[in-house]
Amino acid sequence: KAGVTQTPRYLIKTRGQQVTLSCSPISGHRSVSWYQQTPGQGLQFLFEYFSETQRNKGNFPGRFSGRQFSNSRSEMNVSTLELGDSALYLCASSLGAGETQYFGPGTRLLVL
Amino acid sequence: GIQVEQSPPDLILQEGANSTLRCNFSDSVNNLQWFHQNPWGQLINLFYIPSGTKQNGRLSATTVATERYSLLYISSSQTTDSGVYFCAVEGGANSKLTFGKGITLSVRP
Repeated sequence: KAGVTQTPRYLIKTRGQQVTLSCSPISGHRSVSWYQQTPGQGLQFLFEYFSETQRNKGNFPGRFSGRQFSNSRSEMNVSTLELGDSALYLCASSLGAGETQYFGPGTRLLVL
Repeated sequence: GIQVEQSPPDLILQEGANSTLRCNFSDSVNNLQWFHQNPWGQLINLFYIPSGTKQNGRLSATTVATERYSLLYISSSQTTDSGVYFCAVEGGANSKLTFGKGITLSVRP
């Protein structure tokens, strides 16, 4: 089976712009979660989608949003980018709660 | 929410040495995973181990759920073992992983 894929791998944006990141889960996985990793805050949970429904959301401002499509692919969007949004964004997929989560290679976002 | 603490924060070993990495968590969990983050940032699954003991080559892991800790053992360490090791746990009816701060392992030749 193909692993979790994320596109793009690298992005450079300027403050105030918006960005959309994409994640394709492992075939058959219906749960997709997003995480942000920064040197200061470590790995933090953003949100989780299961069968197109957001089941859980982390403590991030409303500028961070996401969605999941009927084929389980997911996108996350960050609007009005701030310098502090520079981070590695990781996506994980699984069969569901309590199951092994598999991570994609991540998208490195740099906000200038 | 669940708290996860990993120790030690940093570990330096000579090649060939053995090591034990510890993960303590504050509540019951239905998922515990150990990851190795490679230099490009990808989290590589090492073990899915909410309880019990597993072995994979030179690596093994034990989780004692009743005492809320997990241990990752690395034997005969190699320079390629260097990197950051994360423990992450999931509790409740959702797929949210809570990560520890990681353990940075440096294996010197």
